[in-house]
Amino acid sequence: EDQVTQSPEALRLQEGESSSLNCSYTVSGLRGLFWYRQDPGKGPEFLFTLYSAGEEKEKERLKATLTKKESFLHITAPKPEDSATYLCAVQGTGGFKTIFGAGTRLFVKA
Amino acid sequence: GAVVSQHPSWVICKSGTSVKIECRSLDFQATTMFWYRQFPKQSLMLMATSNEGSKATYEQGVEKDKFLINHASLTLSTLTVTSAHPEDSSFYICSVPGQGFSGNTIYFGEGSWLTVV
Repeated sequence: EDQVTQSPEALRLQEGESSSLNCSYTVSGLRGLFWYRQDPGKGPEFLFTLYSAGEEKEKERLKATLTKKESFLHITAPKPEDSATYLCAVQGTGGFKTIFGAGTRLFVKA
Repeated sequence: GAVVSQHPSWVICKSGTSVKIECRSLDFQATTMFWYRQFPKQSLMLMATSNEGSKATYEQGVEKDKFLINHASLTLSTLTVTSAHPEDSSFYICSVPGQGFSGNTIYFGEGSWLTVV
């Protein structure tokens, strides 16, 4: 059964304090691993799709990396506006069904 | 602009009544759409896969007679919560798989807040 585990559940950072969020997954054939940002009361906002081990993608202060078992979302010099819940999800090769992790709630204090 | 539109954004209904939520794919046709449910401070839980032209596929534990899904066309899927009860109050989100600039992606609707009183 496909599974996604995110850690930590919550992360509190000072502005400028870089850190990483972890997403461990098991899937029978990976079609794609997704990272999303979700603000309270809103739908998830797409950040990245990663397809194969060794792949990296960057967007502003965010960088996502992928291995065969986990993905990391690195946040460099975060700002308060980066505060949100970050969701990781995997899609197996069996179809388009996508399974989400529980998310990491990030709080960045000025 | 938005790729997936969901309506209504929020709805309050009385216990025992039914509520319909619409999910529209704006920029492309979608033979498959997904319905998720999210409780406060929890992640998205997949409820069902909506298939155009055939029956929806429900996840384990989701009552298909309570959560009716109709994929009426290649751009529209509806979720009807029948005989709603307060415990059905939640955030319901639809999604559509597609192709973004960076490859495969999943587009989400804005979500619909349901409150059953």
